[in-house]
Amino acid sequence: GAGVSQSPSNKVTEKGKDVELRCDPISGHTALYWYRQSLGQGLEFLIYFQGNSAPDKSGLPSDRFSAERTGGSVSTLTIQRTQQEDSAVYLCASSAGTGGLGEKLFFGSGTQLSVL
Amino acid sequence: AQTVTQSQPEMSVQEAETVTLSCTYDTSESDYYLFWYKQPPSRQMILVIRQEAYKQQNATENRFSVNFQKAAKSFSLKISDSQLGDAAMYFCAYMDSSYKLIFGSGTRLLVRP
Repeated sequence: GAGVSQSPSNKVTEKGKDVELRCDPISGHTALYWYRQSLGQGLEFLIYFQGNSAPDKSGLPSDRFSAERTGGSVSTLTIQRTQQEDSAVYLCASSAGTGGLGEKLFFGSGTQLSVL
Repeated sequence: AQTVTQSQPEMSVQEAETVTLSCTYDTSESDYYLFWYKQPPSRQMILVIRQEAYKQQNATENRFSVNFQKAAKSFSLKISDSQLGDAAMYFCAYMDSSYKLIFGSGTRLLVRP
């Protein structure tokens, strides 16, 4: 596609339920990032995938959070046993992944997760 | 750990005037990049401008320019001839060899017609 696509755009769930958030990066981009943005806050790094390398999971806040990237393309962020503090916008970004530090990240419009 | 600080939660500017948004950061790395991203209500982050730490010349992109003071670890964004469409959240960000983009808490820019 032309840009990074995230689905769903909005998700309302009940406390304790599991949710899956999807990210379709720009075709050919090998680097993929997940960020979390709580209301009125900056973006918090969650996880980074680069090609076939082991992902950098250092930002995942708890073991309830996990992410995978299938076939080097689509990524799914899973939150198990959701809590009210998980309510936030979850943003995905991709980049060409050529190794340059100054690579431009292309962001999706995010998924607004509300946990009731 | 690397940190990025934006001390201005909100700024206001008159249309056609100039405004400067502040950003400071902390790092012990020598090679890194700094960025300014804009986030309109659509939530999508848009790259405004970027600066490599090794370059002394300040980056410019049309009406947007930066004042990069490496020794002071300061990276401010100047918006000239402000337009209504510039109203948004602006985030300063840092990236080093970890490839993690670290963001500040953001500055909300209001543009008065």
